[in-house]
Amino acid sequence: GAGVSQSPSNKVTEKGKDVELRCDPISGHTALYWYRQSLGQGLEFLIYFQGNSAPDKSGLPSDRFSAERTGGSVSTLTIQRTQQEDSAVYLCASSLYHSGSGANVLTFGAGSRLTVL
Amino acid sequence: AQTVTQSQPEMSVQEAETVTLSCTYDTSESDYYLFWYKQPPSRQMILVIRQEAYKQQNATENRFSVNFQKAAKSFSLKISDSQLGDAAMYFCAYRSAERDDKIIFGKGTRLHILP
Repeated sequence: GAGVSQSPSNKVTEKGKDVELRCDPISGHTALYWYRQSLGQGLEFLIYFQGNSAPDKSGLPSDRFSAERTGGSVSTLTIQRTQQEDSAVYLCASSLYHSGSGANVLTFGAGSRLTVL
Repeated sequence: AQTVTQSQPEMSVQEAETVTLSCTYDTSESDYYLFWYKQPPSRQMILVIRQEAYKQQNATENRFSVNFQKAAKSFSLKISDSQLGDAAMYFCAYRSAERDDKIIFGKGTRLHILP
């Protein structure tokens, strides 16, 4: 596609429910990143994918968070048993590569705003 | 570990005036990239400008320019002739050129443009 597409745009859920957030990167971009943006905070790195593999999962806050990427394209971020502190905007970005000059132009999606009641 | 600090949570500037947003970073590396991203109310992050650490010349993009002070580890953004459309959150970011690593962001500065 022309840009990075994220869905849903907004999600309201009850504490304890599972949620899935989807990211459709730019076609041909091999690197895909998930960041979390909480109120008053910067962008917190969660995980990145190079192709379908995730070399760096260091930012995932807990084992309730997981992510996968299939076919080197669409990625899904899953949060199990959501807690109120999970409320945030989840941003996805993609770049041509993860290293080299092609890594330095990140295109972001508009984010998914998650509200846990 | 590298860190990026933006010490101004919010700033205001009169339309058509000039404003400077501050950013400092901490790294032991000598080769890296620095970025300024803009996030308007639409939430869509947009790259404003980027600087390569080994280039001494400050990057410029139209009304946006940076003051890159490598020794001081400072990377400020100057917006000239501020326009209403410049109102947004601005994030400073760092990426290593020596290792494969993610981009690290500061906490952001919210810029208000006063008509």
